[in-house]
Amino acid sequence: NAGVTQTPKFQVLKTGQSMTLQCAQDMNHNSMYWYRQDPGMGLRLIYYSASEGTTDKGEVPNGYNVSRLNKREFSLRLESAAPSQTSVYFCATIWAGGYGYTFGSGTRLTVV
Amino acid sequence: EDQVTQSPEALRLQEGESSSLNCSYTVSGLRGLFWYRQDPGKGPEFLFTLYSAGEEKEKERLKATLTKKESFLHITAPKPEDSATYLCAVQDQDSNYQLIWGAGTKLIIKP
Repeated sequence: NAGVTQTPKFQVLKTGQSMTLQCAQDMNHNSMYWYRQDPGMGLRLIYYSASEGTTDKGEVPNGYNVSRLNKREFSLRLESAAPSQTSVYFCATIWAGGYGYTFGSGTRLTVV
Repeated sequence: EDQVTQSPEALRLQEGESSSLNCSYTVSGLRGLFWYRQDPGKGPEFLFTLYSAGEEKEKERLKATLTKKESFLHITAPKPEDSATYLCAVQDQDSNYQLIWGAGTKLIIKP
């Protein structure tokens, strides 16, 4: 089935550890996005990639880096995890018409 | 500053009891308003896009409407499977990519 696949689904890190969240889409879309979702707040954009080879900062990029490996894959890296990065992370791609995201199932990250 | 506010934060209804969720927004110019449904442990699922005041869209027991300052998601005769968090987002006319999201309304339908 076409969609967005995120790995891992759950992760616990100690403060200062690093990790990479993986995202792959098989919808042949150009644009891909990383969001974080925190209780009581709306989704916030971390980084996005309008096309292969380009990335741009969103609303809350500090503490994160991204790589658009190819058209299918867009990874999010935490170089030195902090408790403030405890959140649920969603990867998404957007329809060719420009409206309506398809989201992955999320990665629940806890930093202790 | 672009802003999206959803109300109420949570809503409990009996099965069959119709109601509405509200999404009020502030943008300089609206390119689109989006409604999503999110089930626990899953990513948001697209429901509707509305582009201009007066527009309405329907899907099963859901109907979304749009005015110049707010949108309503009307739920008619809901069933327990309609229980979810409903998210609203807007796209400013000056933005090609970024959406501004509300915090959501958690809807619980009791049998």
